[in-house]
Amino acid sequence: KAGVTQTPRYLIKTRGQQVTLSCSPISGHRSVSWYQQTPGQGLQFLFEYFSETQRNKGNFPGRFSGRQFSNSRSEMNVSTLELGDSALYLCASSLGHSGSYEQYFGPGTRLTVT
Amino acid sequence: QKEVEQNSGPLSVPEGAIASLNCTYSDRGSQSFFWYRQYSGKSPELIMFIYSNGDKEDGRFTAQLNKASQYVSLLIRDSQPSDSATYLCAVSRSNDYKLSFGAGTTVTVRA
Repeated sequence: KAGVTQTPRYLIKTRGQQVTLSCSPISGHRSVSWYQQTPGQGLQFLFEYFSETQRNKGNFPGRFSGRQFSNSRSEMNVSTLELGDSALYLCASSLGHSGSYEQYFGPGTRLTVT
Repeated sequence: QKEVEQNSGPLSVPEGAIASLNCTYSDRGSQSFFWYRQYSGKSPELIMFIYSNGDKEDGRFTAQLNKASQYVSLLIRDSQPSDSATYLCAVSRSNDYKLSFGAGTTVTVRA
């Protein structure tokens, strides 16, 4: 069974631009969660989607948004990029709610904001 | 108080030894516990999950859970150089089931 895929793998953007990242979950998985990982803050939860509905949201500003499609694929968008948004963005999928089921991560998108 | 705390490391063990990783959590109602391994430059990989008190073994890995003490640990037996990585403990919160991750413990297995 194919794993979680994320595109693009690497991205360089300029401050003030916006970016959209994509995630395709493992087949049959209905929950997709997004995380930001930085050396200083570790792995921080952004949001979780289940059946096209946002189930949970982390403590990030409104510039960070996401959505999930009927085929469970998910996208996250960051508007008005700041230098501090440079990070590894990870998507993870699970059969059901991320807290109750095993969660599997994709390879991540490395975003660099200059 | 952080929701999930791990021993800070780094932890250096000789090849063939047991590596012991500890994790404490603050939410007494947490029900699901996970260990991830993350190699440098890669994404986290799920290696163990445990839901009930006691021990759970999978190959060279053993997870131990003590809900009364709010403590979960991971033992790696017969450590190999390929076990050198950062190990992340993740705990599900009881109120909203979000996963909270610890900062990770970096393990180095020296040959």
